[in-house]
Amino acid sequence: DAKTTQPPSMDCAEGRAANLPCNHSTISGNEYVYWYRQIHSQGPQYIIHGLKNNETNEMASLIITEDRKSSTLILPHATLRDTAVYYCIVRMSGNTGKLIFGQGTTLQVKP
Amino acid sequence: GAGVSQSPSNKVTEKGKDVELRCDPISGHTALYWYRQSLGQGLEFLIYFQGNSAPDKSGLPSDRFSAERTGGSVSTLTIQRTQQEDSAVYLCASSLSPARANYGYTFGSGTRLTVV
Repeated sequence: DAKTTQPPSMDCAEGRAANLPCNHSTISGNEYVYWYRQIHSQGPQYIIHGLKNNETNEMASLIITEDRKSSTLILPHATLRDTAVYYCIVRMSGNTGKLIFGQGTTLQVKP
Repeated sequence: GAGVSQSPSNKVTEKGKDVELRCDPISGHTALYWYRQSLGQGLEFLIYFQGNSAPDKSGLPSDRFSAERTGGSVSTLTIQRTQQEDSAVYLCASSLSPARANYGYTFGSGTRLTVV
């Protein structure tokens, strides 16, 4: 599975959009981009995933560049409860399924 | 149940003792994963079960660690002769068939293991 690179930390003002970048320049054509987050003392939580089209659900939007070498997770109106570590992971369809987590981005939402 | 259940939620054990950690996955989920997370660190993959296939044990850190999954459902992670460096949160996750990448994992709340 391709490696991802994320900034170690970011701040965001409460109520503003949080845009979390992820680079995955070695991604291959059949690898999906997944985002998870881990709020302190809890297990990771699935947020969203995509292949090449932009995706939106009730939690977030995922914007994938046309060349698929990077993506951005958007939390449209960040709240204090969105403070967490956000993990960007790529995984190939049909493989064993294990997700390899990097260090992620620690997002601090400030009042 | 509605989610992945892990027990105990906290375990304190003496160095050298054996411990067993339990995971009850979501009913119908064929894939089960164990991860551990040391304080301030990321998630470290340990082992993966899928149906009746041989488990992927590539992440187990030593032969003191083993896991089994009985009847394709409940899983037990066993750590023998615990060491202080085994102290971590042990997380279990389950998913529908991992052969389809559009199925995400559901994680449990973990077992916090402290070896004293």
